[in-house]
Amino acid sequence: GQNIDQPTEMTATEGAIVQINCTYQTSGFNGLFWYQQHAGEAPTFLSYNVLDGLEEKGRFSSFLSRSKGYSYLLLKELQMKDSASYLCAVVDSNYQLIWGAGTKLIIKP
Amino acid sequence: DTAVSQTPKYLVTQMGNDKSIKCEQNLGHDTMYWYKQDSKKFLKIMFSYNNKELIINETVPNRFSPKSPDKAHLNLHINSLELGDSAVYFCASSQRDDRVVGTQYFGPGTRLLVL
Repeated sequence: GQNIDQPTEMTATEGAIVQINCTYQTSGFNGLFWYQQHAGEAPTFLSYNVLDGLEEKGRFSSFLSRSKGYSYLLLKELQMKDSASYLCAVVDSNYQLIWGAGTKLIIKP
Repeated sequence: DTAVSQTPKYLVTQMGNDKSIKCEQNLGHDTMYWYKQDSKKFLKIMFSYNNKELIINETVPNRFSPKSPDKAHLNLHINSLELGDSAVYFCASSQRDDRVVGTQYFGPGTRLLVL
């Protein structure tokens, strides 16, 4: 079966750094997406990784290790507006998106 | 201009009714999707559709059917609504080039409540 694992919930402090992990077991791999979803809103695109390594985009970075079936999303200089759910999604060998259940990130002052 | 739009935003209806949710995208994408997000916030794909193929998630009841009048629209029709259908339904679109799954752009969601 295909499976994507993320922590259900994480808590961090404003101004700090947090790392949200995602591990996957899928039939093939053709890329990994991270999306952000604020409560009551639609998911919005954050990052896409298809090769191993770190992709940096402002305060957000995403890392991929295909050999380990592992990715993380790193958020720096946390702001209250970063409180949201973060969804990991993997493209499998049939070019279908497999979604994780999401990690709810709570930012405290 | 809104890239992906859905109507209605809220839908409250009785069990057994038939309802439709409309979706339109103005991004020129070739693939559209319907997702269901339940109370546990798990995003589950229901359908993906482009002008070449319709891919149906096998776990979706056949009471749900997508209807695409043209490339920019993918409506979701639901027959004989059940209590368990209550959820948020998201439409999304992407451009698939040579089978590469492009970034998905989501509509604002339709909050369906079945009483």
